[in-house]
Amino acid sequence: AQTVTQSQPEMSVQEAETVTLSCTYDTSESDYYLFWYKQPPSRQMILVIRQEAYKQQNATENRFSVNFQKAAKSFSLKISDSQLGDAAMYFCASLSGGYQKVTFGTGTKLQVIP
Amino acid sequence: DTEVTQTPKHLVMGMTNKKSLKCEQHMGHRAMYWYKQKAKKPPELMFVYSYEKLSINESVPSRFSPECPNSSLLNLHLHALQPEDSALYLCASSQDLYRANYGYTFGSGTRLTVV
Repeated sequence: AQTVTQSQPEMSVQEAETVTLSCTYDTSESDYYLFWYKQPPSRQMILVIRQEAYKQQNATENRFSVNFQKAAKSFSLKISDSQLGDAAMYFCASLSGGYQKVTFGTGTKLQVIP
Repeated sequence: DTEVTQTPKHLVMGMTNKKSLKCEQHMGHRAMYWYKQKAKKPPELMFVYSYEKLSINESVPSRFSPECPNSSLLNLHLHALQPEDSALYLCASSQDLYRANYGYTFGSGTRLTVV
């Protein structure tokens, strides 16, 4: 079984500053993938970034990067130069085993202050 | 076309009504998913279709009936729902089950209210 834990229900950041969202996970699988999804008020879940567990290098997508600590089962998301459009609910998620089922964390609501 | 389109965006239905939610994608994806999301909660998996066949049913009550008539279309038929079924229903797709590791493409959801 997989579990994903997000311990920060809400976070806030000043525009143009950097913020880090935390996520820990647990899985017995050796082959798994981790994701961060963003859900703005428009409701559509958007894939922000993905990490393959077998890769040690942290994934980066423009202003978004992750800190993947495999031994600690930690997968945090760093947003640099925060913009107003980054305000959303962020869900950490994992996919393992037969790839049939994604497990989501409980989400972190990010507020961006102008 | 890199979108998943869900219709309707909003739906209000009585407990004796029959209605359907529709999800469509033209990305050639062969796996499609229905999720239910209550307010301020993560999405919960309901059904998974792979190559138009039902692969997973997460013990969903029979008042929810999925259908995948072709590789581009996924329906969710609703009948005799309860007020607690009010939620956002999200559809998603992936290339196939074994390339779901590239991530899902989600639709914008249908906001369902049962009165």
